[in-house]
Amino acid sequence: EADIYQTPRYLVIGTGKKITLECSQTMGHDKMYWYQQDPGMELHLIHYSYGVNSTEKGDLSSESTVSRIRTEHFPLTLESARPSHTSQYLCASSDTTNRDRGTLAKNIQYFGAGTRLSVL
Amino acid sequence: KNQVEQSPQSLIILEGKNCTLQCNYTVSPFSNLRWYKQDTGRGPVSLTIMTFSENTKSNGRYTATLDADTKQSSLHITASQLSDSASYICVVSDRGSTLGRLYFGRGTQLTVWP
Repeated sequence: EADIYQTPRYLVIGTGKKITLECSQTMGHDKMYWYQQDPGMELHLIHYSYGVNSTEKGDLSSESTVSRIRTEHFPLTLESARPSHTSQYLCASSDTTNRDRGTLAKNIQYFGAGTRLSVL
Repeated sequence: KNQVEQSPQSLIILEGKNCTLQCNYTVSPFSNLRWYKQDTGRGPVSLTIMTFSENTKSNGRYTATLDADTKQSSLHITASQLSDSASYICVVSDRGSTLGRLYFGRGTQLTVWP
């Protein structure tokens, strides 16, 4: 069972509001990721982080921003939400630093339960 | 273009029956292939992960196969249970970057009826 938590689970807000989606993991993982997933579609990477103070944009362009001030915390922020931002947002983490684990194990990503965002 | 295609898109089977889900990929250079199970409203959970040198890997009633030559993988579920109802996602990782970029399929939506 992965110890990675996302809040809120569901969020319905009006256009123009600023929102922050929280993601925390208690496993000490170095890498963290944010994915966006629409119903019946594949996951798209929108942000990732190699570690503290390291953030990069993913494959899918997103108007959201992220920060990684602490190892365990990787929040995602939308300054002004729009209906086009309606989607499910999934946070994940992986541990690539543990020398006791094989290469494959280091590549496994553990996912949170997701935040389903609806912007009206 | 690196892609992961899954079939069928959806599948309905009766409890206790077996089923096989397919995954074809064009990702290169290939590093590993994973199958994830995603329950409705939840995040994906890893079932199996295989490198090019592995032909098969089991996890309980789940058995994954990999043919790196034809770039195909399958996930076989034995004696299905109601709790197997979920989306099964095939994910392929390349060796082209330090991050080990992941390519996701759209998933096969499996429904198990009593």
